[in-house]
Amino acid sequence: GQQVMQIPQYQHVQEGEDFTTYCNSSTTLSNIQWYKQRPGGHPVFLIQLVKSGEVKKQKRLTFQFGEAKKNSSLHITATQTTDVGTYFCAARQLTFGSGTQLTVLP
Amino acid sequence: DGGITQSPKYLFRKEGQNVTLSCEQNLNHDAMYWYRQDPGQGLRLIYYSQIVNDFQKGDIAEGYSVSREKKESFPLTVTSAQKNPTAFYLCASSITGGETQYFGPGTRLLVL
Repeated sequence: GQQVMQIPQYQHVQEGEDFTTYCNSSTTLSNIQWYKQRPGGHPVFLIQLVKSGEVKKQKRLTFQFGEAKKNSSLHITATQTTDVGTYFCAARQLTFGSGTQLTVLP
Repeated sequence: DGGITQSPKYLFRKEGQNVTLSCEQNLNHDAMYWYRQDPGQGLRLIYYSQIVNDFQKGDIAEGYSVSREKKESFPLTVTSAQKNPTAFYLCASSITGGETQYFGPGTRLLVL
């Protein structure tokens, strides 16, 4: 089945630093979704990207969909302790990336 | 979550026993899904259903079974054939297949 590779697996940052996680697919995606899972919690939907080259922002979070619709990124500016958690991308074909676990050090 | 519930939150079972995990949604969603999550890992699809009385195997269906007799309910049975059943099980639903998924709070299953 389709695979979505996500990197890095873990990221530790000082509060205030930026953070980026990347998802890559070997095939073209019709859309991509991003989810956040807080420690001990369940995934919560953040956003969906559909168009080639699409960029969407949610406050300090910036989501991008590549021109070829094979990769996507989530960038967090000036991280806060509330950003702690695991960020997953998901392809329409019900495939989740392995996630990036973000730790923010105060 | 918001309209999708899973019970119980924690479940303990002895090895060799079948166990059924509950998932109910009142969102009027057509599609429902079961995922397994192991510590520090991503989500792996067990089964999904896009319509009542129909379901498809996901990537790791062996040792699991499901039913979809009602739109609101999608119970998952972890059978004794599942080699490593201890995990965090997440149920989700979406309006249609492949769209935004809404997750339940999950059930942590521990098989002793």
